[in-house]
Amino acid sequence: AQSVTQLGSHVSVSEGALVLLRCNYSSSVPPYLFWYVQYPNQGLQLLLKYTSAATLVKGINGFEAEFKKSETSFHLTKPSAHMSDAAEYFCAVSTLIQGAQKLVFGQGTRLTINP
Amino acid sequence: GAGVSQSPSNKVTEKGKDVELRCDPISGHTALYWYRQSLGQGLEFLIYFQGNSAPDKSGLPSDRFSAERTGGSVSTLTIQRTQQEDSAVYLCASLSGYTTDTQYFGPGTRLTVL
Repeated sequence: AQSVTQLGSHVSVSEGALVLLRCNYSSSVPPYLFWYVQYPNQGLQLLLKYTSAATLVKGINGFEAEFKKSETSFHLTKPSAHMSDAAEYFCAVSTLIQGAQKLVFGQGTRLTINP
Repeated sequence: GAGVSQSPSNKVTEKGKDVELRCDPISGHTALYWYRQSLGQGLEFLIYFQGNSAPDKSGLPSDRFSAERTGGSVSTLTIQRTQQEDSAVYLCASLSGYTTDTQYFGPGTRLTVL
């Protein structure tokens, strides 16, 4: 069965610093991987997704993630943090059940930006 | 176009009462999902609808939980005889296709059971 582990439930960085949120997955088949962001009192919004094309995926708001099969990782990065990046971030792996997509989410990482 | 909408945004109820949560998916999306987001539990899959196929109910935590989707569009999640452990944010998502498409999430309904 597919699973996702996000290392670090809370990450705090200074404004302008590098953001690195870690995600490792377990999958018996080539995975589809997603990063979602959740701002307070809102639903989840897609940041980016990996669907077996380019291993370096660029998303919205300056975020990107690199799929590394050898490390079973899909870490999310942003070169320079902005105050508006403060939110909770979820990594997810997609499984196919009877032809239908089902997402398995990590526990989430809360990102805090210090001024 | 409009995104996924959910109502109510907040619901406070007493233990033992029934509640209904509504989800309006994006027009034309054939797949609809319900998730539960609890503190310390992350996002938990509840139920999935795809077109006219039988729903995948494998994530429903107990028989107090049920959902229906009328006309392939609006969905209602019903929780009977609510318990305090049902307190959570219930999220709905819709998707246009099957495999690599993106699930679009609504803002959620925050349920508090007193």
